[in-house]
Amino acid sequence: EDQVTQSPEALRLQEGESSSLNCSYTVSGLRGLFWYRQDPGKGPEFLFTLYSAGEEKEKERLKATLTKKESFLHITAPKPEDSATYLCAVQASAGGTSYGKLTFGQGTILTVHP
Amino acid sequence: GAGVSQTPSNKVTEKGKYVELRCDPISGHTALYWYRQSLGQGPEFLIYFQGTGAADDSGLPNDRFFAVRPEGSVSTLKIQRTERGDSAVYLCASSLWSGSPLHFGNGTRLTVT
Repeated sequence: EDQVTQSPEALRLQEGESSSLNCSYTVSGLRGLFWYRQDPGKGPEFLFTLYSAGEEKEKERLKATLTKKESFLHITAPKPEDSATYLCAVQASAGGTSYGKLTFGQGTILTVHP
Repeated sequence: GAGVSQTPSNKVTEKGKYVELRCDPISGHTALYWYRQSLGQGPEFLIYFQGTGAADDSGLPNDRFFAVRPEGSVSTLKIQRTERGDSAVYLCASSLWSGSPLHFGNGTRLTVT
């Protein structure tokens, strides 16, 4: 069974204080790993897809990296508007799992104080 | 352009009643997905459609849940004999094809009293 565990559950940062969020996964063949941002009362918003170990993607203050067992979302010099829940999800490529199914972690709640 | 639209945004129903939740995907997206999210948890897969057919319904919890997408665009999630444990936010998403990034709507918050 595919599993995704995110840590920490919650993270409080001061504006400008860089940090990283972790996503550990177990999957029967990884086809893709996805990062989403979710604001209260909204649906998840797509950030990145990573497909292979060693791959990196960047968008503004966010950088996502991938190894064979985990992914990191690095946040550089965060601002209060970066406050949100960040979700990680995996898409399996083996074991009969359809490409349409994502398995999500429980998310990390990030709060950035001014 | 317009994103994924879900109606209603909130639904309160009594235990045992039937409910329908509607999803309008992004125009041109062939794949459509339903997920369910409980408070403090990540979304949980229910079902996805490629075109008009359900390609994977392995996440539907039991036979009280059913979804259709008759013309390959709008989808309806139907829940019979609702139970209090069905209370959650039901999220719909669409993508260009199965496996490409999902674009989510803002969900329908279902409360069963």
